[in-house]
Amino acid sequence: AQSVTQLGSHVSVSEGALVLLRCNYSSSVPPYLFWYVQYPNQGLQLLLKYTSAATLVKGINGFEAEFKKSETSFHLTKPSAHMSDAAEYFCAVSAPRAGNMLTFGGGTRLMVKP
Amino acid sequence: NAGVTQTPKFRVLKTGQSMTLLCAQDMNHEYMYWYRQDPGMGLRLIHYSVGEGTTAKGEVPDGYNVSRLKKQNFLLGLESAAPSQTSVYFCASSYSTAQGLQPQHFGDGTRLSIL
Repeated sequence: AQSVTQLGSHVSVSEGALVLLRCNYSSSVPPYLFWYVQYPNQGLQLLLKYTSAATLVKGINGFEAEFKKSETSFHLTKPSAHMSDAAEYFCAVSAPRAGNMLTFGGGTRLMVKP
Repeated sequence: NAGVTQTPKFRVLKTGQSMTLLCAQDMNHEYMYWYRQDPGMGLRLIHYSVGEGTTAKGEVPDGYNVSRLKKQNFLLGLESAAPSQTSVYFCASSYSTAQGLQPQHFGDGTRLSIL
C-alpha cells in the first residue's frame, strides 16, 4: 500500500522568499514520485518526477525536489517565489507496476504575498 | 494536439438522475484513469484502464461504472447520482516506454453538482 502526506494545507510566502512544500510518502516498493501543480479551474500539470535516477530532480518554473530515502521525503523547493507560483501543489507516489496508479497527497495551497 | 479532453465541463444533476462523463485522448496512450477531487483530499482514483476493453476498480469505485470500448475514449457513468458524488472529476492518460512508466496527462476537469 502507498500513501502520501503533505504537511500544511496552506503555505504563505512573500514574493522573493524561499518556497518549501513538504511531502512524505510510504511505499512497500521503491517508489516513483511526482509533484503536480494545479492552477484555478485547470487540470494538473507535471512539475517534476523522480524515477530512481538522480535524487535531486529539477523541474519546470525553477522548482526542484530532493528524494531522501532515509526520511521518506520528497520536498519541493524554489529559491525565490513569484506571484505566478500561487497555485495548489500535489505530491503523488506511484509503484512501478501494472496500471501506473497514482496516490495523491491532500494538496498544499501556496499563496504568494507581494 | 488536444491532449486529454473532458466533456462536459460543468453539469448539475438531481439526485437519482444518471449521466455519463466522456474522456477522450489523442496521444495513443494505453492507460486511462478517472479521479475525483474533493477539498483537502487530493485526487482519489475511481476506476482505471490498462488497455482497450479492460477496466479495474480504484480506491473509490462505488456508485460509478466505466467502459473503454475504444482506446481513445474512457467513459465514466453515474447510474443514480447522489449528493455525495458532487465533486470535480479528472480524467488522465499515460503510457509505458522502455525507460519505464511515464507521467499522467490530465484533462481540465468536469465540475459536477448533485442537488
